[in-house]
Amino acid sequence: RKEVEQDPGPFNVPEGATVAFNCTYSNSASQSFFWYRQDCRKEPKLLMSVYSSGNEDGRFTAQLNRASQYISLLIRDSKLSDSATYLCVVGSGTYKYIFGTGTRLKVLA
Amino acid sequence: NAGVTQTPKFQVLKTGQSMTLQCAQDMNHEYMSWYRQDPGMGLRLIHYSVGAGITDQGEVPNGYNVSRSTTEDFPLRLLSAAPSQTSVYFCASKTGNSPLHFGNGTRLTVT
Repeated sequence: RKEVEQDPGPFNVPEGATVAFNCTYSNSASQSFFWYRQDCRKEPKLLMSVYSSGNEDGRFTAQLNRASQYISLLIRDSKLSDSATYLCVVGSGTYKYIFGTGTRLKVLA
Repeated sequence: NAGVTQTPKFQVLKTGQSMTLQCAQDMNHEYMSWYRQDPGMGLRLIHYSVGAGITDQGEVPNGYNVSRSTTEDFPLRLLSAAPSQTSVYFCASKTGNSPLHFGNGTRLTVT
């Protein structure tokens, strides 16, 4: 079993739709969680950190479920510009960060 | 701020050639790392450093060397390039438990 798993997609959604991605992790001692966005052939860029109580940034909401060992990302009112690959990152120590393989999102006009 | 700067952006090597990928950061981050990204594999850690003079191996270190003589620079050396090292390489840095900051990548092809 991979340490961090994501559905590769693609998720094809119309503009304005709400879409959610999950990411599961195997190490129960994991301490830090992030969502990154990666555009084709570009570097990953931080979208948001994920906090225990859940957090929101505009149209984006991230949640952590420690009991079931997954994090989620919800995107409301999808825009064409949201089309990208979304990477889940799990940290199990200050210097050990594991990346998921990413979920592709395509927002269709 | 420049953040994390990688050079070159593109490189083509022949099998057996050596080269160094450069990475520099101006954020005074103690942690620097190198990842490679291959289709369907996600980002995999090659080597990392938690400070000047300290380096350690990641998940896929074979065929690569690193050194950290200053806080700012963390070069990655390929001693004898192989086609299996064709990939996109990212340098990343951070401080404490903060998120990683990535450079814009080096696309390497080994023929």
